[in-house]
Amino acid sequence: DAGVTQSPTHLIKTRGQQVTLRCSPKSGHDTVSWYQQALGQGPQFIFQYYEEEERQRGNFPDRFSGHQFPNYSSELNVNALLLGDSALYLCASSPRQGAGNTIYFGEGSWLTVV
Amino acid sequence: AQSVTQPDIHITVSEGASLELRCNYSYGATPYLFWYVQSPGQGLQLLLKYFSGDTLVQGIKGFEAEFKRSQSSFNLRKPSVHWSDAAEYFCAVARRSGYSTLTFGKGTMLLVSP
Repeated sequence: DAGVTQSPTHLIKTRGQQVTLRCSPKSGHDTVSWYQQALGQGPQFIFQYYEEEERQRGNFPDRFSGHQFPNYSSELNVNALLLGDSALYLCASSPRQGAGNTIYFGEGSWLTVV
Repeated sequence: AQSVTQPDIHITVSEGASLELRCNYSYGATPYLFWYVQSPGQGLQLLLKYFSGDTLVQGIKGFEAEFKRSQSSFNLRKPSVHWSDAAEYFCAVARRSGYSTLTFGKGTMLLVSP
């Protein structure tokens, strides 16, 4: 049983460009969340998707957007990249809605903005 | 607003010695509590979690944590540290109602000396 998978593993972008990161949740999970982890910091919640809709959002600008597909996989899009967007982006999945479910994380996508 | 404090940025422990990593939270009500570990360049792995019941929780890799409501703390312990335990450790909380999103501390980097 594959866990949470993310792609790409690493990527480098230029300021002002746009990036798309992808995530496949663990089998049986229908809820996907995205987190940003800057160097030396803990992960920060970006948003969560359930039933193809954004259900909850953290304190991130509209440049950060996402999508969830019918097969529960998800994309994170960041427009007009800034140097400060350089971070590890983690995808997390959990089974069904509700608090307290065990949340599983992927290995992350390292984004460097130059 | 909820917050998680890990007061120690770095801790160095000799191999074989005991370990305690501190975590304090600020929340309206007792949240769900988690400890995650992150090895360099890797995603997050769940060590243990507290939902209810016995306040001493056993986790993987020989770790345990104790929930103390009066101190709003959830400290992680291990009786004998191995060199492979060197990693970054994150304490996290989730609200008991609503959706499964995590608020993380800034992490404690554990260094193990021979």
